[in-house]
Amino acid sequence: EVQLVESGGGVVKPGGSLRLSCTASGFTFRSYSMSWVRQAPGKGLEWVSYISRSSTYIYDADSVRGRFTTSRDNAKNSMYLQMNSLRVEDTATYYCARPRDVTGTTDAFDLWGQGTVVTVSS
Amino acid sequence: QSVLTQPPSVSGAPGQSVTISCTGTNSNIGAGYDVHWYQQLPGTAPKFIIYGNTNRPSGVPDRISGSKSGTSASLVITGLQAEDEADYYCQSYDTILGGSLFGGGTKLTVL
Repeated sequence: EVQLVESGGGVVKPGGSLRLSCTASGFTFRSYSMSWVRQAPGKGLEWVSYISRSSTYIYDADSVRGRFTTSRDNAKNSMYLQMNSLRVEDTATYYCARPRDVTGTTDAFDLWGQGTVVTVSS
Repeated sequence: QSVLTQPPSVSGAPGQSVTISCTGTNSNIGAGYDVHWYQQLPGTAPKFIIYGNTNRPSGVPDRISGSKSGTSASLVITGLQAEDEADYYCQSYDTILGGSLFGGGTKLTVL
């Protein structure tokens, strides 16, 4: 089955760190760029980051730049989001998403994980 | 604040049609980048229903359609059904952001 599964969410205090994982199955993970998208409770979708197939290009939203780091391990069919210096406003469901086209810079996301919940609270 | 502007809510009776607008700028939709649309049911991940401005993925009914003109795009749903009640988001690429950009979302209520 073609799917993405996120893990690693939880409750953390402001200033803390968390590492999210996204594990892919059922397709050739290394052929696709990937992205993280988040959704705060009751709010809309916000793109967080993009990583190219070979990790050559990594782009981040202004809201997370310098605090979050996106990486991938194609041998493990996995992508990661290292989140440091977490803020209350980072509280959200974090989704990993695959683009319809393999390069994925501007394409739609045709495959999403179920999401993992991150709560930043004192 | 989203740079892609959507109405917070729209509504329609079963069988009627609704249009959801998505207004951008010259750094995203107006720059020629494609617009994509997603449907999100409560507690679930988004599902893409329109890609490349007008294209429907397999399994999406033809009563759902998309269009784009200038700095705006629209999603039209005809023959409204109860199952269409959901949140809808537009998405494009933004050259200033350097990544994907989503609209603020529109809640569709089927009366």
